Amino acid sequence: AQSVSQHNHHVILSEAASLELGCNYSYGGTVNLFWYVQYPGQHLQLLLKYFSGDPLVKGIKGFEAEFIKSKFSFNLRKPSVQWSDTAEYFCAVNAGGANNLFFGTGTRLTVIP
Amino acid sequence: SAVISQKPSRDICQRGTSLTIQCQVDSQVTMMFWYRQQPGQSLTLIATANQGSEATYESGFVIDKFPISRPNLTFSTLTVSNMSPEDSSIYLCSARSSGRPEAFFGQGTRLTVV
Repeated sequence: AQSVSQHNHHVILSEAASLELGCNYSYGGTVNLFWYVQYPGQHLQLLLKYFSGDPLVKGIKGFEAEFIKSKFSFNLRKPSVQWSDTAEYFCAVNAGGANNLFFGTGTRLTVIP
Repeated sequence: SAVISQKPSRDICQRGTSLTIQCQVDSQVTMMFWYRQQPGQSLTLIATANQGSEATYESGFVIDKFPISRPNLTFSTLTVSNMSPEDSSIYLCSARSSGRPEAFFGQGTRLTVV
């Protein structure tokens, strides 16, 4: 069965700090990987996605993620966070021909001005 | 990307009653899904809404409790039946198109059962 682990439940950073949120998945075959963001009071939005090709993918708002197949990881990064990045971040995987996504438990990011 | 509208956005319901949540997508999509997001937890798939046929339910979810309809490619409903406080949660509609693995989400329905 597919599973997604996000080890950081709540991260608190000051503005301009660098961010890295961990995501590991458990599936040995071909995967599609995603990061979604949920800003306070808003719906889930796609931040970035990996299907194939360059393992370093860039998303909106300066976010990027790196797919490391050997580590089954897809960590999210941003070199300098802003207060407006305060949100909940979800890693998700689609694999094995499944139609739906499997989500991690989410990481709440709080950025202090 | 698809725009998904859900209504109601929130509701407070008495236990024992039922609530139907509507989901409208602005374009034809192949697949529609219903998720539940309980406080402090991740999204859990309830079922895949199939057009013109019975929904496909995940383990732990049954049709009698969560009947789902999908009469066409752009519309689906989820009913939460005979509600109890344990059903208090956010219910999310999601959609994706064939050949595109990414999914889009509605804004969710925050349900409180008292």
